[in-house]
Amino acid sequence: SAVISQKPSRDICQRGTSLTIQCQVDSQVTMMFWYRQQPGQSLTLIATANQGSEATYESGFVIDKFPISRPNLTFSTLTVSNLSPEDSSIYLCSVLRGNTYEQYFGPGTRLTVT
Amino acid sequence: KNQVEQSPQSLIILEGKNCTLQCNYTVSPFSNLRWYKQDTGRGPVSLTIMTFSENTKSNGRYTATLDADTKQSSLHITASQLSDSASYICVVSGGGADGLTFGKGTHLIIQP
Repeated sequence: SAVISQKPSRDICQRGTSLTIQCQVDSQVTMMFWYRQQPGQSLTLIATANQGSEATYESGFVIDKFPISRPNLTFSTLTVSNLSPEDSSIYLCSVLRGNTYEQYFGPGTRLTVT
Repeated sequence: KNQVEQSPQSLIILEGKNCTLQCNYTVSPFSNLRWYKQDTGRGPVSLTIMTFSENTKSNGRYTATLDADTKQSSLHITASQLSDSASYICVVSGGGADGLTFGKGTHLIIQP
């Protein structure tokens, strides 16, 4: 299994500010992913964080709003910029380990925007 | 459009009882189907993963079935415990993590 930690676990932010979420994995992984889970909804992939290159964003998500860093094979950050109440969600980091079937999720960061 | 539909949306049962959660999908191509358990305030944790050729897979009191012909899966929980209270998410993969389609989950509550 993979041990994934996220910081912060939760935060309350004001409209217009930004929040940076950290994801730390206990060993090197090639693929790291960021998901959003809005209240009562399923998980939605925001982007794939690539080490040494730009992140790959899914339709509906842009780099200006969700800048991602991936400085090494065990760490990534997701910033949610210019916050609005619609950004209130749980943000989850995820990694693939071993074969492509094994995907592990971090504990999530619960963001509330006021 | 790839979709995963889960039913029921929510379910309340008494401790010790069995229950079955349903998942129907229209995902192509199909690589594997996963069931995850998500406790409140936690990330999803994998329960089972089944490929096209697997009809059933068990993990303790959890048993998942897959009918790839009808594109249906079920998750059966035996002798439910209070700790089973969680959301159960069905996820279908077309190959690779970026090809995952998530269901909205079934919110299960076990009452003493």
